Amino acid sequence: KNEVEQSPQNLTAQEGEFITINCSYSVGISALHWLQQHPGGGIVSLFMLSSGKKKHGRLIATINIQEKHSSLHITASHPRDSAVYICAAHVNTDKLIFGTGTRLQVFP
Amino acid sequence: GAVVSQHPSWVICKSGTSVKIECRSLDFQATTMFWYRQFPKQSLMLMATSNEGSKATYEQGVEKDKFLINHASLTLSTLTVTSAHPEDSSFYICSARDLRVGSYNSPLHFGNGTRLTVT
Repeated sequence: KNEVEQSPQNLTAQEGEFITINCSYSVGISALHWLQQHPGGGIVSLFMLSSGKKKHGRLIATINIQEKHSSLHITASHPRDSAVYICAAHVNTDKLIFGTGTRLQVFP
Repeated sequence: GAVVSQHPSWVICKSGTSVKIECRSLDFQATTMFWYRQFPKQSLMLMATSNEGSKATYEQGVEKDKFLINHASLTLSTLTVTSAHPEDSSFYICSARDLRVGSYNSPLHFGNGTRLTVT
């Protein structure tokens, strides 16, 4: 069993739909990252959170420390949101454990 | 904002040759940089942690003599894949933490990655 698991692995949506990607982890963390990887491979850090909820534009990330669970929500999805979304658990000062990613495709 | 530049973005080399990949922090100093490898359809795996002025810390199973890491300045880390073999073909990506904003949990910035193909 992976220490960081994501679901779903693949997700397709119509433009405008509300999207949720889930991340569960089994290790103690100091923070959890949500990353976006574009088709070319480049990675952008979307959120880093250790409690509660963060919002940036149409993106919302939440984390429940007691349940060891985090979600990434995308409101009013758009084709340009198509990417691989990765959660990563920050388990000590520097080490990150990555989930396997969720491949999202949003169709117009 | 903070930017990490990685070069080259792709490289094709022959088996047995060495390839150097550079990772630069453009507008901040990074005492620590991280090197990851990603095989197709798989997640990123940390290979090593590069420390400025000292030896890199390698993850279990990563050969330090094959993947040479040098972090000679606060803005540059290099990864050299020595005596490359086709099984080294992968996507290599670096990241660095901008410590200006504080502690270990400061944001991570990633390079755009290097796609290595060994023929």
